Amino acid sequence: AQSVTQLDSQVPVFEEAPVELRCNYSSSVSVYLFWYVQYPNQGLQLLLKYLSGSTLVESINGFEAEFNKSQTSFHLRKPSVHISDTAEYFCAVIMDTGRRALTFGSGTRLQVQP
Amino acid sequence: NAGVTQTPKFRVLKTGQSMTLLCAQDMNHEYMYWYRQDPGMGLRLIHYSVGEGTTAKGEVPDGYNVSRLKKQNFLLGLESAAPSQTSVYFCASSYLTRAYEQYFGPGTRLTVT
Repeated sequence: AQSVTQLDSQVPVFEEAPVELRCNYSSSVSVYLFWYVQYPNQGLQLLLKYLSGSTLVESINGFEAEFNKSQTSFHLRKPSVHISDTAEYFCAVIMDTGRRALTFGSGTRLQVQP
Repeated sequence: NAGVTQTPKFRVLKTGQSMTLLCAQDMNHEYMYWYRQDPGMGLRLIHYSVGEGTTAKGEVPDGYNVSRLKKQNFLLGLESAAPSQTSVYFCASSYLTRAYEQYFGPGTRLTVT
């Protein structure tokens, strides 16, 4: 079975400061890794994904995440956050075989303050 | 192109009542999913479907039933609602070959008193 751990339930940060949201996973088989974002009162949207190839992946709005196989981590980073980045962020994994369903972490609420 | 829609948006039930949540997608996706979201627990998979006429259990299926009679619709039923089923319910869909890229509906907030 696979599982996802997001260590921080809330991360307050000032605008234009850097941020890192942590994600660790466990799985006995190879997995694909994802970050989803949920803005207030909305459904989830895919932010970025790691399937294969380069371990550093980027989103269109400045976020990046790095797959670290030895540490089983997929932390999300942004060098300078904006007020509009305030949202809840979910790390998720899916196995490359078997049931094609996502397993989500418990979420991290990013609160960007002016 | 409406994407994934959910009906209703809000509902309050009394313990023991039944209801059905409707999810519809217009992207011709093969896969459809029902999740529940509870504070501090992320999203947990209730049931999912890999195609018309097929359904399967997820992590937390007890107390729920589903049906997928048409490819574009996925129904979630609560036969006898319990307060523990108070939650926000999300439907999602995806292509068979890209199950990781799921498109989510706006959610249904259900309160069981």
